[in-house]
Amino acid sequence: QVQLVQSGAEVKKPGASVRVSCKASGGNFKIFAINWVRQAPGQGLEWMGGIIPKFGSANYAQRFQGRVSITADESTETAYMELSSLTSEDTAVYYCGRAIDPLVVAAATVDWGQGIRVTVSS
Amino acid sequence: EIVLTQSPGTLSLSPGERATLSCRASQTVSSNYLAWYQQKPGQAPKLLIYDASSRAAGIPDRFSGSGSGTDFTLTISRLEPEDFALYYCQDYGTSPYTFGQGTKLEMK
Repeated sequence: QVQLVQSGAEVKKPGASVRVSCKASGGNFKIFAINWVRQAPGQGLEWMGGIIPKFGSANYAQRFQGRVSITADESTETAYMELSSLTSEDTAVYYCGRAIDPLVVAAATVDWGQGIRVTVSS
Repeated sequence: EIVLTQSPGTLSLSPGERATLSCRASQTVSSNYLAWYQQKPGQAPKLLIYDASSRAAGIPDRFSGSGSGTDFTLTISRLEPEDFALYYCQDYGTSPYTFGQGTKLEMK
């Protein structure tokens, strides 16, 4: 049983950056993609990007390109998502999730972290 | 970017009834890479169906997925009280891996 444990809630000012983490346990971290999905208050789900730790390079949604960075540390089995130039529209719960199939980012997300609430407010 | 349109927006049914949720894509979903998730308030999404029709581990067989190309359906054959929730479809065949706007399944 794979468990994903995310870091705690964050409050940031507009223009700042936020870095959140997602620590995996109980599975083969290296070969299963970790995807990041966010959900603004009362809104739907939005895929931001994903990474296969073994390969190291991430795939991002175009609308976040240049503002998001997803990385993974195989030694600690932890994935990170950093989002810069924050605005109030980035206020959301950020989820990490593990792909159901190995070695592809293009896969359904089967295991989910508990979510991190990020609030952007002056 | 593929746009997924879910219908209806809200579905009001009673326990024991059959639920049919629709997800229509603006373009063909590559390799039928279409997933369905259930989300309850304050919780992370839960994978129900992947590859359009494969049930995820531990998902009861009252949940089934069907469809191909641009039209997909999630069917819940006989609603249990715990099935009343939000449901999202997701295309993961073409980046960005977009989600539909959701269908709320509420108890009548």
